[in-house]
Amino acid sequence: EDKVVQSPLSLVVHEGDTVTLNCSYEVTNFRSLLWYKQEKKAPTFLFMLTSSGIEKKSGRLSSILDKKELFSILNITATQTGDSAVYLCAVVKRSGGSNYKLTFGKGTLLTVNP
Amino acid sequence: DGGITQSPKYLFRKEGQNVTLSCEQNLNHDAMYWYRQDPGQGLRLIYYSQIVNDFQKGDIAEGYSVSREKKESFPLTVTSAQKNPTAFYLCASSIDWGGTQYFGPGTRLTVL
Repeated sequence: EDKVVQSPLSLVVHEGDTVTLNCSYEVTNFRSLLWYKQEKKAPTFLFMLTSSGIEKKSGRLSSILDKKELFSILNITATQTGDSAVYLCAVVKRSGGSNYKLTFGKGTLLTVNP
Repeated sequence: DGGITQSPKYLFRKEGQNVTLSCEQNLNHDAMYWYRQDPGQGLRLIYYSQIVNDFQKGDIAEGYSVSREKKESFPLTVTSAQKNPTAFYLCASSIDWGGTQYFGPGTRLTVL
């Protein structure tokens, strides 16, 4: 059975802190790993990672994938209250022929206090 | 504006009634998806469609039905057979099957 496990489940920090969110996975036929940020409603896309060791960066957010150890981390530096959200990790696998399957973790709830 | 829209934002239904949730996209994406999100749970796939006139069951399809008659539209019907329908429903689309998914704003369904 495919598994995507995120940790911690929730985290409370102060503005300016740096946080690291973790996503470990056990899937066969791995294709890619995605990070999303979900505030009140729709998840918004952050990063797609397909290769080990190559950091993706967008402003204060960065992410890296380790396909040997089967995990990814999402770093947020100099956190702001607007970073408060649920961060979702999802893994895409090939599930036969041209079929793909996406499995989501339960998410990490990040709260940034002023 | 390009994007994915879902309607309504909030929906209340009495037990025993069927209800249809709308999902429309003007991104020219081939693939569309329906997910359900419950508190403390990740997103779970209900149905997906790789291309117009085709759709497949996801992990929790029981009590739901879909259609994909047009590329832009992928409505989800929550039937009375769905035992626990109160949830937040998210629609997504991707340029092709397996591509990065972009989400609509969601519909919160409450069964009274």
